[in-house]
Amino acid sequence: DAKTTQPNSMESNEEEPVHLPCNHSTISGTDYIHWYRQLPSQGPEYVIHGLTSNVNNRMASLAIAEDRKSSTLILHRATLRDAAVYYCILKGRSQGNLIFGKGTKLSVKP
Amino acid sequence: EPEVTQTPSHQVTQMGQEVILRCVPISNHLYFYWYRQILGQKVEFLVSFYNNEISEKSEIFDDQFSVERPDGSNFTLKIRSTKLEDSAMYFCASREGEFSEQYFGPGTRLTVT
Repeated sequence: DAKTTQPNSMESNEEEPVHLPCNHSTISGTDYIHWYRQLPSQGPEYVIHGLTSNVNNRMASLAIAEDRKSSTLILHRATLRDAAVYYCILKGRSQGNLIFGKGTKLSVKP
Repeated sequence: EPEVTQTPSHQVTQMGQEVILRCVPISNHLYFYWYRQILGQKVEFLVSFYNNEISEKSEIFDDQFSVERPDGSNFTLKIRSTKLEDSAMYFCASREGEFSEQYFGPGTRLTVT
C-alpha cells in the first residue's frame, strides 16, 4: 500500500484557517487521496477526497499538488469542534478498505 | 441524516467467552466493514463484506472471527473465544457504492478481562 506522511500534531487558533499537509511521494496514478477525521471518542468521519483537481465541500478544501506527491487539507475557519485526528489515506479505485496511519492530531485553541 | 448504529456501546466479557457485536448499516448501503482500534493505536481494517460474502480480510481476522448479515439489516461481528488482546474499540462502517465514502458507527468498546 502506498504510504502517507503527516505531522504528528498541529495547533491552531479558533476562527483561523488551518492547513494540514500530507506527503505521498509513492502515489500511483489511480490512487485517490482521501481525508477522514476522528473526533475524540468517536468513529472516523469522511471529510473529502480528490484525484487530481482541487476539491471543495462544506467541510473543507483539498489542494492537490500538480505532481500529486503531496496534498493539503484546508479548514477555512477552525472551530473547537474541529479538534480531532486527521487522516490522509490513499485509496485505489477498486480498493474497498481504508488503511489508516497515525494521522495529525489537531488542537484548536480558543 | 441516516447513520450507522452499533450495539452495545460497551461490552465486558471474560477471556474465552464468545461475543457478538452488532451494527445496523445505512439502509441503502451495499458494502460493509469492521475495523478495530486498540487504545492509543491506529484504526485497523478487519474485514469487508459485499453481496453476502467476505470480499477482503486482514491478517487480524483469523478463525476466531466471523461476520454475518443475518436479516438484511444487521451486520454482526462474532469473536468465538475472546483473548485479552481483543480489547479494543470496534467500528462498523458502510458505503453505498463502489466509489462512495465510508460512514462509520460510533463503535463498541470491548473489554476482555
